[in-house]
Amino acid sequence: QSALPQPPSVSGSPGQSVTISCSGISNYVHYNRVSWYQQTPGTAPRLILYEITTRPSGVPDRFSGSMSGDTASMTISGLLAEDEADYYCCSYTGRSAWVFGGGTKLTVL
Amino acid sequence: QVRLQESGPGLVEPSGTLSLTCKVSGFSISGTYHWGWTRQPPGKGLEWIGSVYHSGSTYYSPSLKSRVIMSVDKAKNEFSLNLASVTAADTAVYSCSRASLLTGPDSWGQGVLVTVSS
Repeated sequence: QSALPQPPSVSGSPGQSVTISCSGISNYVHYNRVSWYQQTPGTAPRLILYEITTRPSGVPDRFSGSMSGDTASMTISGLLAEDEADYYCCSYTGRSAWVFGGGTKLTVL
Repeated sequence: QVRLQESGPGLVEPSGTLSLTCKVSGFSISGTYHWGWTRQPPGKGLEWIGSVYHSGSTYYSPSLKSRVIMSVDKAKNEFSLNLASVTAADTAVYSCSRASLLTGPDSWGQGVLVTVSS
């Protein structure tokens, strides 16, 4: 299974909003089982969103998710310097299998 | 609170077998979660290798299926990864995780860098 396409990089200034897309979701039956992860250098990925829009406990509501057609998206509003990280989408493909997106590097200007 | 810790050699010779173990603490491996392995080559993205359930059922990525074996040891509350016939392309940080069908991987180990080199 090939990685789900994501833009290699996005950027924004503090206080702005950025959106990261993840396409090819409709290839999988469980299209609502989309998760997003945040990873800073040298650390383990952190679950930010699951089931497209649900935030785990402790994740600020600046992070939101959506789905339109074939593409899942995550929006970070009110950008903070601490949001600078790599972000990965992840889709459940069925039969205890998952596929990750290629990853997007977020730069806070 | 669940904790996962990978262990195993950091250096494997080409054509050898990469063997890693993930020790789970704070949570029973016999719960309704899947236990998975992911790898991340230096400077690259995440790749799902596969998962194992406490029953022993497994799923492996099609691209690695011919070389991967995963197993679970319920008595030790740990699970393992074996990747055979490794090459330099298998050099990566290997991480273990707990995954639910609802959230996907929700808890991760810190990862261990495995280098394939002679």
